Amino acid sequence: QVQLVESGGGLVKPGRSLRLSCAASGFTFSDYYMSWIRQAPGKGLEWVSYISSSSSYTNYADSVKGRFTISRDNAKNSLYLQMNSLRAEDTAVYYCARDRPYYGDFPYWGQGTLVTVSS
Amino acid sequence: EIVLTQSPGTLSLSPGERATLSCRASQSVSSSYLAWYQQKPGQAPRLLIYGASSRATGIPDRFSGSGSGTDFTLTISRLEPEDFAVYYCQQYGSSPLTFGPGTKVDIK
Repeated sequence: QVQLVESGGGLVKPGRSLRLSCAASGFTFSDYYMSWIRQAPGKGLEWVSYISSSSSYTNYADSVKGRFTISRDNAKNSLYLQMNSLRAEDTAVYYCARDRPYYGDFPYWGQGTLVTVSS
Repeated sequence: EIVLTQSPGTLSLSPGERATLSCRASQSVSSSYLAWYQQKPGQAPRLLIYGASSRATGIPDRFSGSGSGTDFTLTISRLEPEDFAVYYCQQYGSSPLTFGPGTKVDIK
């Protein structure tokens, strides 16, 4: 069965960096686009970034463009999100999600990892 | 960017009742690329409906989706105790992908 497990969250000061990881299993990772989606405490869902199956294409929400970088290692079945210049408004649960092939809806989600940006 | 508006913000109903949730887009959603998710506290969202009206794998048939263009509806025909949750719509017809603010269905 499809399993996505995020890690790397924690408490970080404003302006610092953090790298999230997502370990995938139960499917051929290299065949699928992957995304990061976040949810601030008590708020709704916000798509953050996606990466194509071969890493050829990436896209970012305006709110993180220039600060966050998505990447993947298909040999390790892993997805990453490098987050630099963190702000208080980046505080959220970050989910990795796998899309339905050729579409942008998400049948599979990880359990999420909490990132708290605070001094 | 397509902005999604959901109404009502909160829907208070009893088990067995019918729930009708609305999602309105600021511009037409191409090819009805509209999905609905259910989220319970402390859990990741769960895909219910994709393509505006297709049920995802394992979703009971009491959940149905309809609509096109800018107006979409999620209907739960008879609420079960486990259906009380927050529901989000999402469009994936154009970039950036966007979600609605959610409708909370709570017990009356």
